[in-house]
Formats: sequence, C-alpha cells, structure tokens
Amino acid sequence: GENVEQHPSTLSVQEGDSAVIKCTYSDSASNYFPWYKQELGKGPQLIIDIRSNVGEKKDQRIAVTLNKTAKHFSLHITETQPEDSAVYFCAPNNAGNMLTFGGGTRLMVKP
Amino acid sequence: GAGVSQSPSNKVTEKGKDVELRCDPISGHTALYWYRQSLGQGLEFLIYFQGNSAPDKSGLPSDRFSAERTGGSVSTLTIQRTQQEDSAVYLCASSLEWREETQYFGPGTRLLVL
Repeated sequence: GENVEQHPSTLSVQEGDSAVIKCTYSDSASNYFPWYKQELGKGPQLIIDIRSNVGEKKDQRIAVTLNKTAKHFSLHITETQPEDSAVYFCAPNNAGNMLTFGGGTRLMVKP
Repeated sequence: GAGVSQSPSNKVTEKGKDVELRCDPISGHTALYWYRQSLGQGLEFLIYFQGNSAPDKSGLPSDRFSAERTGGSVSTLTIQRTQQEDSAVYLCASSLEWREETQYFGPGTRLLVL
C-alpha cells in the first residue's frame, strides 16, 4: 500500500509569514494529491488538490506544488493568519476509493 | 445543502458494551467511507461502501467491528464488546461516486471506552 510521510510534524510561524508542508509518497501510480485542513473538533476539509498532469495550483493564499519524479508534493500558505492554525493532512491516492493520510502537520500561527 | 452528519457526537461507554455509530452522507452520494482517528494521530481507513456493498473490509481492526449500509444512504458502524483501545474519533466521509476523489467529512463521533 501507499506509504505517506509529512514534514514537519509541527510548524510554528509568525502571523504574516509563509508556511510550507511537504508530503512524500511511495506509490508511483498516485495521480491525485489533496490537502485537508482539520480544525479542532471538526472533520478534515479539502482545501486544495492537484492532479498528476499539473505541476502547480494556486488558490488565493494557498498553493500546492507537485514533483512526480521525486514523489512529493507541498502545501504553501502565504501571509498566514491565526485562522490558518489547524492540523493539515496530505492524502495521495490513485483510485479514489480510500485515502491514505499522512501523519499530519500541526500549524500554529502566532499573532 | 446539508453536509455529512454523524451521531452521536460523543459517546462514553463501559468496556465490554456494544456501540453503534451512525453516518448520514450527503444526499445523492453513492460512496461512503469510515475512518478512525486516535488522539493526536492521523486517519486510519476502516471500510468503504459503494452503494450498499462493501468490497473491502480488510481495514476493520478486528471481527468486533462491522458496518452496514442500507438503502444506499445511512450507514452504521458497530463495535461489539468495546475495549479501551477502541477509544478514538470515528469519522465518516462521502463522495459523489466511488473513484470520485473529493471526499466530504462529517464532524466525527468521539468514543471513549472506560
């Protein structure tokens, strides 16, 4: 099965700074690369995703970059705000029937 | 429209008792998934349904766990003879179709086994 790792496991930034979270995976057949945000007491919510035929996708302050050769993709958050504080999960997959989640990254944005 | 709902939101039970967790997917979503999230950990896949059938039950941790889905909508996850290690948040997600990658999650049921 898919082996997924996220780094770092925790990340603390000052409000306004950028944050980058990296996800590495093992299955070269993976073709869909989403990032989920989980706030305290809630279920994960999709915030951005990218497919294997695209190298980068941006949505306002959030972007995802993909390197299929190296089998990793990253989440970039610019101009961080306190409401960005949450746990972020990557979940690369190739079949859409289930998601293999990374271990999560706890992002803390200090005002 | 309404999202995925789960009930109860919290459940405290005694070791050895059975519990039933319920998931109401988004209307019209044919695929439904159950995950388990232990405290401070990532999400562990348990089982998914395509319509009413569950092609892959290999993610269920033990034979004390079972799940069913009737009418292509509501699903229940049953844990028999609960153990303390079953304490976790149980999350349900649904998607429009099987192989539709975007999954929409419910708020979860927090289970505590004393």
